[in-house]
Amino acid sequence: GAGVSQSPSNKVTEKGKDVELRCDPISGHTALYWYRQSLGQGLEFLIYFQGNSAPDKSGLPSDRFSAERTGGSVSTLTIQRTQQEDSAVYLCASSQDRNYGYTFGSGTRLTVV
Amino acid sequence: QKEVEQDPGPLSVPEGAIVSLNCTYSNSAFQYFMWYRQYSRKGPELLMYTYSSGNKEDGRFTAQVDKSSKYISLFIRDSQPSDSATYLCAFSYQTGANNLFFGTGTRLTVIP
Repeated sequence: GAGVSQSPSNKVTEKGKDVELRCDPISGHTALYWYRQSLGQGLEFLIYFQGNSAPDKSGLPSDRFSAERTGGSVSTLTIQRTQQEDSAVYLCASSQDRNYGYTFGSGTRLTVV
Repeated sequence: QKEVEQDPGPLSVPEGAIVSLNCTYSNSAFQYFMWYRQYSRKGPELLMYTYSSGNKEDGRFTAQVDKSSKYISLFIRDSQPSDSATYLCAFSYQTGANNLFFGTGTRLTVIP
């Protein structure tokens, strides 16, 4: 596609439920990133996928968070047993070379009630 | 000390003004310097990218990097209402960490 596509754009969930967020990167981009953006906190790195290499999971805040990338393309971020502090905008980005910046999607706004 | 410091604003200027946005950083290993613009309810988009100290110009935008002072700036000339957005600085290593390090963003409003 023309850009990075994320779905859903908004998600409201009850505390304790699991959620899945989807990212469809730009075709041909081998690198894919997930970030979290909270009010006044800036963008927090979560996880990085590069081709068929093992992902860099160093930014995942707890073991309730996991992500996978199938076939080197679409990625899913899963949050289990959601907590109120998980409320944030989850942004996905893709790039051909990390040092030249990314293209971001519009994000999924997650609200845990 | 945070690795990246950015004044959150908000900053309001009249149309046509010159805007100066700034970030300081503490990690001398940062080698790549970027500015992103983020409109409300959208993801950040890359505005400017630079590797070395000095100035880089692109239309009404000028990015300035001073590695000795660990200070970067973005200047917007002849600001327009369409420039109203949040501006984020971002940094990366040449090697090592895979991710970018972002400032918290400065919210800019250009008043017609």
